[in-house]
Amino acid sequence: ETGVTQSPTHLIKTRGQQVTLRCSSQSGHNTVSWYQQALGQGPQFIFQYYREEENGRGNFPPRFSGLQFPNYSSELNVNALELDDSALYLCASSLPGAERETQYFGPGTRLLVL
Amino acid sequence: DQQVKQNSPSLSVQEGRISILNCDYTNSMFDYFLWYKKYPAEGPTFLISISSIKDKNEDGRFTVFLNKSAKHLSLHIVPSQPGDSAVYFCAASARGSSNTGKLIFGQGTTLQVKP
Repeated sequence: ETGVTQSPTHLIKTRGQQVTLRCSSQSGHNTVSWYQQALGQGPQFIFQYYREEENGRGNFPPRFSGLQFPNYSSELNVNALELDDSALYLCASSLPGAERETQYFGPGTRLLVL
Repeated sequence: DQQVKQNSPSLSVQEGRISILNCDYTNSMFDYFLWYKKYPAEGPTFLISISSIKDKNEDGRFTVFLNKSAKHLSLHIVPSQPGDSAVYFCAASARGSSNTGKLIFGQGTTLQVKP
């Protein structure tokens, strides 16, 4: 069974640029969630994708957008980067089912905005 | 507003003893709670969960206790091992379309288990 993978592992961008982060979900999982983790904080929910549609969104501006593909992999796009976007971006996959879904996380992409 | 709080930023225990990590929440709509462990340069790893219909769930060395009236949960690790040294996050979720997929995390507690 393949776990959640993310690419790239690290990225440096400058303010105003755009970035695309990628995530492959765990084998058999059809739902992907994205989180932003600032230094010293817990992860904050950005949005979730299920069957290629956005299925829930946290308190993030529209310049944070995403996609999910038929193979359940996903992208997070951030436009007009700001210094405060510097963080660890985590992707988690889950399989909606029985009791409640548990989300399984990838290793993250560390983004630095200069 | 911080709906899930882990008030202890750090905890140090001796190998073999019990580690108790605490978490408080404010939203009474939360009905599912999870604990994750995170090592540096890795993503959070799922440890154990509990539904609000239970007050205890056990998995090997890990036990989670839920006190709904106090809006408090705790993770007990017995016996603690040096490999347990990591940051532990408490997370909560609620049912409803506006909450789909959303886990609310605490700030984390860094556990150090000394040999």
